[in-house]
Amino acid sequence: GEDVEQSLFLSVREGDSSVINCTYTDSSSTYLYWYKQEPGAGLQLLTYIFSNMDMKQDQRLTVLLNKKDKHLSLRIADTQTGDSAIYFCAEGFGNEKLTFGTGTRLTIIP
Amino acid sequence: KAGVTQTPRYLIKTRGQQVTLSCSPISGHRSVSWYQQTPGQGLQFLFEYFSETQRNKGNFPGRFSGRQFSNSRSEMNVSTLELGDSALYLCASSLRRDRAGANVLTFGAGSRLTVL
Repeated sequence: GEDVEQSLFLSVREGDSSVINCTYTDSSSTYLYWYKQEPGAGLQLLTYIFSNMDMKQDQRLTVLLNKKDKHLSLRIADTQTGDSAIYFCAEGFGNEKLTFGTGTRLTIIP
Repeated sequence: KAGVTQTPRYLIKTRGQQVTLSCSPISGHRSVSWYQQTPGQGLQFLFEYFSETQRNKGNFPGRFSGRQFSNSRSEMNVSTLELGDSALYLCASSLRRDRAGANVLTFGAGSRLTVL
């Protein structure tokens, strides 16, 4: 079955790194995604990683994938107040529907 | 390039009524997916339409339905509204060009439905 889990809350000091974790259960997932949702808005795609990759870096964002443990993480370097949002991980098989996690609310402490 | 447009943004209905929500995808995107977002259940997949055909369906009762038009615009309908249908309904579009590729969804801002 499909199940994607995340911690509900994370607080980080401005300037530190944020690490948001996610675990999933569907081993057939071919892509893993990270989305960001700001208040009153829809979801914005941040990045995605193909399942045969271990890491992907995009500016301040680093995605790590441990396929054996079905664990995905998103690291945000030099966290800023504008990074305050809810972050969702999602899994999908090819072009099929995405299954989203519960979301992690990231709060930045000045 | 215009984004995904959802209308209305906010609406209030009473139990037993029905509601229709509209979604205009990004120009050139032929796939439209709908998700329901609630604090308790998170993001739940409703259905996906591609070329006017429903390609995937989530685990929702038959009161939830949708359709897609030849211009790729999509509507979803909820009949006999219940209090539990109060949610943010999100529409997302994608190219869905290659079944083997990533399913990159672009979301609209959502339609917030309150059922009283």
